[in-house]
This record gives sequence, structure tokens and C-alpha cells, in this order.
Amino acid sequence: SYELTQPPSVSVSPGQTASITCSGDKLGDTFVSWYQQKPGQSPVLVMYQDAKRPSGIPERFSGSNSGNTATLTISGTQAMDEADYYCQAWDSNILSFFGTGTKVTVL
Amino acid sequence: QVTLRESGPALVKPTQTLTLTCTFSGFSLSTGGVCVSWIRQPPGKALEWLALIDWDDNEYYTTSLKTRLTISKDTSKNHVILTMTNMAPVDTATYFCARSSARADAFDVWGRGTMVTVSS
Repeated sequence: SYELTQPPSVSVSPGQTASITCSGDKLGDTFVSWYQQKPGQSPVLVMYQDAKRPSGIPERFSGSNSGNTATLTISGTQAMDEADYYCQAWDSNILSFFGTGTKVTVL
Repeated sequence: QVTLRESGPALVKPTQTLTLTCTFSGFSLSTGGVCVSWIRQPPGKALEWLALIDWDDNEYYTTSLKTRLTISKDTSKNHVILTMTNMAPVDTATYFCARSSARADAFDVWGRGTMVTVSS
């Protein structure tokens, strides 16, 4: 199983880079996905298999995963990127786990 | 176009059993690899994965709720059903269903969710 820990909040100025971390024991041994959730809406997949962007997700979103930490990076952050972000992983028993969530604020 | 829609009661009493239905379109749960999961989110809190059923009728449950959950599918109706027994106020949440294209794959399409309140 995984306990996935994220920072509660990240603040970023428009045009700057936001990095959101997701920490878990040996997380680099599995694939991590990331979801964006705006208030009152369903989550949207923004990254899968660590670093792959679904169709329609801007290139400013990128991902990495190594060791115990996965990272979602938003380059050139825009106001529309303000949202909650969740990491997610599966263990070897086909059980899924979400991270604690990070609120990204674009100041 | 792939869509999922959750339906069920908005209010249940403590100790009752909750039954939720996920109605989907644009894909078949008979297709190899396809899975549907249920995920919930208490107000103001994080997402929590509950259960998954795959194209081959395999079922997987989160450990903490395994004894209370049952997931099933009706392929002819494009339904995935979740039952949760012995509901309590802490189960108050928005319940989502979501598709993945393989076991242990990302949830690529989500429903809008349905809010369930547990209260007497």
C-alpha cells in the first residue's frame, strides 16, 4: 500500500513555475498519475504514467517520478491552473491510493 | 464520446445500505482491459478510491472498507453498481465513478459525481 503525501498548498506568480511533490515509499517503482480538480467539478487527468500528457493538456504540464518522490511541474503558470491537484498510484495488489492533495494558488 | 453518470439517493439514514449506479456510454465493459472504479470525496477533503471492477469480472476493494463494499456490473445495461452497507455520517461524500483503460491505469474519464449525505 501507499501513503502519498503532498504539500497542502503551493503559491505561484503568473508566468512562473509551480512544482507539486508527491512522496511515498519507493514511489518510483510504480506509475503515478495526476489530477486537477477545480471547485465544484470532477477531477481531470493531467498526467499519467509519470510523464505522459493526455490529449488536450497543455505542454506547460510535465511530470517526473524517481525514488520516493513524484513531481508535477507547471511551467508558465496561468490563472486557469489554480486548482487542487492530486497524485495517484496503484500498488501490486491492484489497490489505488490518492495523495493528500495540493491547493495551487496563482497570486 | 465516453461519458459516465452516477445516480442514487441523496440522503440515507445511518445503518442503511447505499446503492449507487454508474451508467456509462461510449465504451464497453466487455472490452479487454477496460475497468470502472468508484471514488469518493468527503466535503473539503481528499479523494479516496473505493473499488474497481474489470472487463473480466475481477473485483478489487480498498482494504479499510472491504467488508462493507460490493461492486458489480450489468454489461447489457452499461451499469456498474456499488453497494455500501452500514452507512454512517462519516460516509457523507460525493461519489464518483471513473473509467480506466487497464488495471492499474489512470482514471481517464470521470462522472460528475453524486452527493450522498448520511443523516437521521
